Amino acid sequence: AQSVAQPEDQVNVAEGNPLTVKCTYSVSGNPYLFWYVQYPNRGLQFLLKYITGDNLVKGSYGFEAEFNKSQTSFHLKKPSALVSDSALYFCAVRAMDSNYQLIWGAGTKLIIKP
Amino acid sequence: NAGVTQTPKFQVLKTGQSMTLQCAQDMNHEYMSWYRQDPGMGLRLIHYSVGAGITDQGEVPNGYNVSRSTTEDFPLRLLSAAPSQTSVYFCASSYGQGGSGANVLTFGAGSRLTVL
Repeated sequence: AQSVAQPEDQVNVAEGNPLTVKCTYSVSGNPYLFWYVQYPNRGLQFLLKYITGDNLVKGSYGFEAEFNKSQTSFHLKKPSALVSDSALYFCAVRAMDSNYQLIWGAGTKLIIKP
Repeated sequence: NAGVTQTPKFQVLKTGQSMTLQCAQDMNHEYMSWYRQDPGMGLRLIHYSVGAGITDQGEVPNGYNVSRSTTEDFPLRLLSAAPSQTSVYFCASSYGQGGSGANVLTFGAGSRLTVL
């Protein structure tokens, strides 16, 4: 079965430290991978996506993600966390044989402490 | 440029009541969809549409109806509300019919529904 896993319900990071939010997937074929962010009481906002090409993708607000085909992972990273990065982060994958619908991870709550 | 507008933001229903969640977008997006968000479960697709007059079921369609008479509007109807439908509902849209794979979704702010 096709799936997306975000193994950590919550990640705590001190402000100024690097952060990583993990995502692994299991789909057939070449996936399209996405990260979205949800701030409190708001809808989701697009951060970045991997379609093809360079495995390191840069997105909004200084975030980047690395596609690793052998490990089927697409971890979200930022070199220096800000308190304002505190939010709920969702990984999603669009598989070619799922009528192109998105498969979503359960979300990871990121807390950045001053 | 309003993007995706959802109404109402909050709603409390009694079991068995019906209601419609409204969704409108002003970006001329072909693709529109409804998700529900429940704690620890991510987003689950309820229904989607790839254009006016075309709708299809997602992962959790039972208890919900949709229609797409115009490009702009995609209302979600709860036929007979149940406590299991207590959730936060999001409407999302994108260019294309979802088939290109790379299209980015634009989300509304959400509608929080409580069924007593």
